[in-house]
Amino acid sequence: GAGVSQSPSNKVTEKGKDVELRCDPISGHTALYWYRQSLGQGLEFLIYFQGNSAPDKSGLPSDRFSAERTGGSVSTLTIQRTQQEDSAVYLCASSLGGVRFFGPGTRLTVL
Amino acid sequence: GIQVEQSPPDLILQEGANSTLRCNFSDSVNNLQWFHQNPWGQLINLFYIPSGTKQNGRLSATTVATERYSLLYISSSQTTDSGVYFCARSDAGGTSYGKLTFGQGTILTVHP
Repeated sequence: GAGVSQSPSNKVTEKGKDVELRCDPISGHTALYWYRQSLGQGLEFLIYFQGNSAPDKSGLPSDRFSAERTGGSVSTLTIQRTQQEDSAVYLCASSLGGVRFFGPGTRLTVL
Repeated sequence: GIQVEQSPPDLILQEGANSTLRCNFSDSVNNLQWFHQNPWGQLINLFYIPSGTKQNGRLSATTVATERYSLLYISSSQTTDSGVYFCARSDAGGTSYGKLTFGQGTILTVHP
């Protein structure tokens, strides 16, 4: 597709379950970013992949969060043992140069 | 850490009015970008403007890197301009990549 896509668009899960969120970046974009946005808040950086370099994981809030990027393209953000405070919109972005292009986000609700 | 402050936090306009949104930085301005988040949550990149002035239709932006601020101008506002406007800057000095640090946003509401 022409833009960044994310799936699922909505995810409702029970506390303690694991979830996987997927991001398909724009083809050819070497950089991929994950952010999350809690209700009424700004965007919080989570993790950043750039080419074959080691990812910048400095924004991951706990060791329950992890992400991988396979083949320099698709990325999966995994949250283990979800907590209610994990409820947020998780946004993915990709870029080739300075401009970031964001996906529509995955709205995660932890009951 | 790096501070990105936006003002005003909220802005209510009548259709047709002009407005100026401001973004101040505590550190150097790298890879400065303005985004619009529409009421459906989609973030759209408006400007990539580490310095100077750019214009796109009714929108324009100016970044004065030496004074660590950027301005977004909206002229002849329309109801479709409503949403949240974010500015963001990169932590990576001199490069195009790096994580973006976002301001808290300006919530703009344009009434018909």
